Amino acid sequence: GENVEQHPSTLSVQEGDSAVIKCTYSDSASNYFPWYKQELGKRPQLIIDIRSNVGEKKDQRIAVTLNKTAKHFSLHITETQPEDSAVYFCAASKTGNQFYFGTGTSLTVIP
Amino acid sequence: DVKVTQSSRYLVKRTGEKVFLECVQDMDHENMFWYRQDPGLGLRLIYFSYDVKMKEKGDIPEGYSVSREKKERFSLILESASTNQTSMYLCASSFQGGRRSYEQYFGPGTRLTVT
Repeated sequence: GENVEQHPSTLSVQEGDSAVIKCTYSDSASNYFPWYKQELGKRPQLIIDIRSNVGEKKDQRIAVTLNKTAKHFSLHITETQPEDSAVYFCAASKTGNQFYFGTGTSLTVIP
Repeated sequence: DVKVTQSSRYLVKRTGEKVFLECVQDMDHENMFWYRQDPGLGLRLIYFSYDVKMKEKGDIPEGYSVSREKKERFSLILESASTNQTSMYLCASSFQGGRRSYEQYFGPGTRLTVT
């Protein structure tokens, strides 16, 4: 089955700096890559996703890049704010049904 | 607005008890999922269902079973609870893959403690 690895497990940045979280996947048939944000005590929520026919997608301060050849994708958050502090999960899917999640990155934005 | 609800936020059970966790969604989603969330291990899929009465094993099905008698409702059953099943359990739902959104919507979670 699919194996998704996520790094780093924890990340601290100063407010206003950028944050980058990286994931690799093993199954070249995977074609959908979502990112979920989970604030403390809350449920995970989708923040951005990308399909394999696109190399980059941006939504305001967040962007995701995909390198199909290397089988890795990354989340980029620019101009970080304290409310960006949360746990972020990447995932990979080849059918759009079953997701394989990474182990999560705990991001702390220091004011 | 999509709503996924779970029957309990917190649950304390004794070793050997049978435990039922219930999830209900109101978006007419075909897919429903049960995940277990543990620190450092991320979200691990226990079971999922793509239709009424259908189920598929995920990565960690041992010690669990599921039931889906109605489209909107998906139950997770711990036949004989053990202390290593102490965890946060998250339910999710989504449309089936295709042209519609693949987004999985999560419930608020049930923190289960087995003593």
